[in-house]
Amino acid sequence: GPKVLQIPSHQIIDMGQMVTLNCDPVSNHLYFYWYKQILGQQMEFLVNFYNGKVMEKSKLFKDQFSVERPDGSYFTLKIQPTALEDSAVYFCASSWDWGGYEQYFGPGTRLTVL
Amino acid sequence: GQQVQQSPASLVLQEGENAELQCNFSSTATQLQWFYQSPGGSLVSLLSNPSGTKHTGRLTSTTVTKERRSSLHISSSQTTDSGTYLCAAYQGGRALIFGTGTTVSVSP
Repeated sequence: GPKVLQIPSHQIIDMGQMVTLNCDPVSNHLYFYWYKQILGQQMEFLVNFYNGKVMEKSKLFKDQFSVERPDGSYFTLKIQPTALEDSAVYFCASSWDWGGYEQYFGPGTRLTVL
Repeated sequence: GQQVQQSPASLVLQEGENAELQCNFSSTATQLQWFYQSPGGSLVSLLSNPSGTKHTGRLTSTTVTKERRSSLHISSSQTTDSGTYLCAAYQGGRALIFGTGTTVSVSP
């Protein structure tokens, strides 16, 4: 089936540094999402993105977070500066449309902030 | 907002046994997806089933939208089925809200 790719699979950085997580969504999808899962905890929605804009974000999407997809390239999640509590697995997803359309998930990027 | 509850929290099976996992959601959902998360953390989409019954392999999902519930039936369980099964429902059509999962352990 359709595949979402995420790069890198693991990232270790020092607290305060900037990190960019990359997502290559399904090629004809128009809607993009980031989810966060702290180890052993529930998967939680962060943000969704369409037509160059954030459509909706949760309270977990702090001011230090930003998303973009310049010119149809990777859909990125940038955290600047990072904090210890940002350590988690970040999953990217994409869908053709809102509502009843299935979201396709990538394998996740495990971020460790030291 | 949407809340998703799953039961049971955990399940222990002998290989070959069947299992029934439940998912209840608080608001009408236009999309309902079941996922498998491996012990290593990778996520696999199993079924997208906002209403009715769907099958894939040994899995059957039945969603009764107006009763705000969905079930996932695993038939003839195998040790490779061990992991966590997550149910997720749309909230307002823009974000999937996940349940806390059912951890399944299948022993030989």
